[in-house]
Amino acid sequence: GAVVSQHPSRVICKSGTSVKIECRSLDFQATTMFWYRQFPKQSLMLMATSNEGSKATYEQGVEKDKFLINHASLTLSTLTVTSAHPEDSSFYICSARSGRGYNEQFFGPGTRLTVL
Amino acid sequence: GQNIDQPTEMTATEGAIVQINCTYQTSGFNGLFWYQQHAGEAPTFLSYNVLDGLEEKGRFSSFLSRSKGYSYLLLKELQMKDSASYLCGRTDSWGKFQFGAGTQVVVTP
Repeated sequence: GAVVSQHPSRVICKSGTSVKIECRSLDFQATTMFWYRQFPKQSLMLMATSNEGSKATYEQGVEKDKFLINHASLTLSTLTVTSAHPEDSSFYICSARSGRGYNEQFFGPGTRLTVL
Repeated sequence: GQNIDQPTEMTATEGAIVQINCTYQTSGFNGLFWYQQHAGEAPTFLSYNVLDGLEEKGRFSSFLSRSKGYSYLLLKELQMKDSASYLCGRTDSWGKFQFGAGTQVVVTP
């Protein structure tokens, strides 16, 4: 149990385009989902926390107008990178928490974004 | 990650034991996680400590001292497949995660 999927796994796009990444909890309801970004050989950096039905909470330094997050249901959150630039190229990982038991987060497989 | 310190890299031979230390800021602390991450993949859960002491799970054990803001992950009987980055993560009372920069463990034959 506790499977989280992400789609797409890889995306290459041109500078200036927008990219949408989906994060789904497949076998549990995720009250909270998190979006992370990871540059090569660096740690996971939390970008934002999203709770179902409410606005996402963004970490300091993360532009909310550039990284649009929608958590419309208990099993789906989306991250849209708007007007992507080469410096947005990174590994984006989502995680989900069920709200039961302790605070373990279940991570998705990640999305490799390359902006040309 | 902020306020979470762990070594950058450790090297050990197959069959050996390696201990990865992690220190963190204690204010607002709720629990301590360890995750394993292979290159290009998402992290996978290894352990979670809330109370002081040692938790053993097969070849992996994790220790926590809340008063000292200190944890370690112990990897025994190292195998080549254990070569990966090990992330120390701290959660606060709101469930917010912060991760350390990760410790790259290199297992040599």
